[in-house]
Amino acid sequence: DGGITQSPKYLFRKEGQNVTLSCEQNLNHDAMYWYRQDPGQGLRLIYYSQIVNDFQKGDIAEGYSVSREKKESFPLTVTSAQKNPTAFYLCASSFRQGTGTEAFFGQGTRLTVV
Amino acid sequence: GEDVEQSLFLSVREGDSSVINCTYTDSSSTYLYWYKQEPGAGLQLLTYIFSNMDMKQDQRLTVLLNKKDKHLSLRIADTQTGDSAIYFCAERTSGTYKYIFGTGTRLKVLA
Repeated sequence: DGGITQSPKYLFRKEGQNVTLSCEQNLNHDAMYWYRQDPGQGLRLIYYSQIVNDFQKGDIAEGYSVSREKKESFPLTVTSAQKNPTAFYLCASSFRQGTGTEAFFGQGTRLTVV
Repeated sequence: GEDVEQSLFLSVREGDSSVINCTYTDSSSTYLYWYKQEPGAGLQLLTYIFSNMDMKQDQRLTVLLNKKDKHLSLRIADTQTGDSAIYFCAERTSGTYKYIFGTGTRLKVLA
C-alpha cells in the first residue's frame, strides 16, 4: 500500500542531544514537508523540499536541519540549538503539479525532551 | 501576509449538522483543503476545492466557498460521535508548494 511512514512514533531526547526523525514515502511524490504541531497553534512549517537535493526553510527552521538525498526520504534532525523541541512532528508529501496536489500526511512522531 | 483563521471549538449533538468555518487572506488562485485529525494521529484529507468553484459535495460533506468574503465552510450532515476530531482548513496558492494551515477547530459530538 502507498503511503507515508514516520518513525519512531514516540521519541525521547536528553537536553543537548541531536535526534533524527525519519520520513519515507512510496507515493512517488516530488515534494515533501515537515510541520511542527503544538497545542492551540495549528501546524507550522519547518522545512520543505520540492525536488531531490533541494530544500527551503519554512517559518520556524531555526534549530532544525534536513536532507533530501533520495526522492522517497526526507529526514529531519532536531539539533541541540532548538530551544523547545517537545512537540508533535508531522511529515507530508505531495505532487508538484496537477489538480489538487493535496498533501498526504504521516502518522506523526511525538518528541519529548527529558 | 498569508493567514488562515478558524474558531477553536464547536460542540454539536449527534445527528445534527456541524458547520466549521474558515477565513483566508490570499486572493490569488488557490486550493483550499479540509483535513481531519484524530487524537495522536496524522492529518487525513477529507476534501478540497479550487477557488473557481462555489460548492463541492461528497457524501455527508459539503464545502461552500464565498470568494468575495474569502470564507470557506465545511458542513457535516448527520454528525456522528466518530466525527469528533480536530478539523484543519488549509490553503495553497497555485504554483507554490507552501500550505498554510489554520489553528484547527476541535469538534465535539455529544451523544
